[in-house]
Amino acid sequence: GAVVSQHPSWVICKSGTSVKIECRSLDFQATTMFWYRQFPKQSLMLMATSNEGSKATYEQGVEKDKFLINHASLTLSTLTVTSAHPEDSSFYICSAPAGAGTDTQYFGPGTRLTVL
Amino acid sequence: SQKIEQNSEALNIQEGKTATLTCNYTNYSPAYLQWYRQDPGRGPVFLLLIRENEKEKRKERLKVTFDTTLKQSLFHITASQPADSATYLCALSPSNTGKLIFGQGTTLQVKP
Repeated sequence: GAVVSQHPSWVICKSGTSVKIECRSLDFQATTMFWYRQFPKQSLMLMATSNEGSKATYEQGVEKDKFLINHASLTLSTLTVTSAHPEDSSFYICSAPAGAGTDTQYFGPGTRLTVL
Repeated sequence: SQKIEQNSEALNIQEGKTATLTCNYTNYSPAYLQWYRQDPGRGPVFLLLIRENEKEKRKERLKVTFDTTLKQSLFHITASQPADSATYLCALSPSNTGKLIFGQGTTLQVKP
């Protein structure tokens, strides 16, 4: 079946540095991908919608200059956390629609970000 | 305000019993509702989707109901197994845009 991968699976960085997370659809094309964030014991919160060939759309309260999203191709979206701080430590998960005519999504395995 | 709520307390049941999880929502009119399974440190995995014109959907030991009057969905696992232990998330798409809003999830623990 279709698979969405993320890289890296975990990352530890120092405060003030930038971290890039990749989300790839492995055997299907995705013109749209979604980025979520999940804090411990909480549910997934949608951050932004990544659109291939155009700007991402961000949910209310999400800083677009801090969380840079680039959807460079039909199989790759990247999320860059700029100037990361300890409060950005979280589990970041991407998803992609399963295909035209379907309302389900495939989720990546997630990336655990720890900012020291 | 818009809410999607699941019972945040963990559900502990004995192996072989039926687990029933609840998802309630307010101020949404979703065309469909979805259920996902999430294991610790992993991304969610799609289980079932039920549309507003469907009362019930089944997949193997799983059953989902959708009551648009009560604004509630129930998720059942029959003949539960320890391997069913996980967090179960309900999700809906406001305005049917594809973006998903998740409930906080209910953690199920099936004891042998």
